[in-house]
Amino acid sequence: DAKTTQPPSMDCAEGRAANLPCNHSTISGNEYVYWYRQIHSQGPQYIIHGLKNNETNEMASLIITEDRKSSTLILPHATLRDTAVYYCIVRVGLSAGKSTFGDGTTLTVKP
Amino acid sequence: EAQVTQNPRYLITVTGKKLTVTCSQNMNHEYMSWYRQDPGLGLRQIYYSMNVEVTDKGDVPEGYKVSRKEKRNFPLILESPSPNQTSLYFCASSPLSQSSQHFGDGTRLSIL
Repeated sequence: DAKTTQPPSMDCAEGRAANLPCNHSTISGNEYVYWYRQIHSQGPQYIIHGLKNNETNEMASLIITEDRKSSTLILPHATLRDTAVYYCIVRVGLSAGKSTFGDGTTLTVKP
Repeated sequence: EAQVTQNPRYLITVTGKKLTVTCSQNMNHEYMSWYRQDPGLGLRQIYYSMNVEVTDKGDVPEGYKVSRKEKRNFPLILESPSPNQTSLYFCASSPLSQSSQHFGDGTRLSIL
């Protein structure tokens, strides 16, 4: 699985969009980008995933660059409850298997 | 309610005393996995299982054992725990055909 690089921390004002970047320059053609978040020490929560097209669900949007070497998770209207550690991982296909999480980005949403 | 249940949630024990952390899921998922999380570090995978009687090592399997005799259960066994296994442990499951994992609430293990 490709290695990912994320900034260690970011701040965002409440009500504004939070844009979390992820670099995955060695991603292969069959690898998907997944995002999870972990609030305090709770179990991580799946957010969204994509291959090459932009994706949107009720939680967030995922923008993947055309060369697929980086992506951005967008929380359109961040709330205080979105304060968490956000993990970007890349996985081969949609099949479960070995899974490597990086160190993630700690997002702090401020009032 | 769909869930992954870990027990115990908290445990303080001593070096060398065998322990088992249980994990059970009620979603009929084929895939199950164990992770550990240490301060300042992300999640590191210990073992995973693609189905009954099929297990594979993750990134940090040393000092741990697992078994998958039933689809719903995936216990993590520490035969001779040591202080460096003090950590927060998470169990996760997913269908084999997708990789969005459901995580349990975690087990905080302290080994003195």
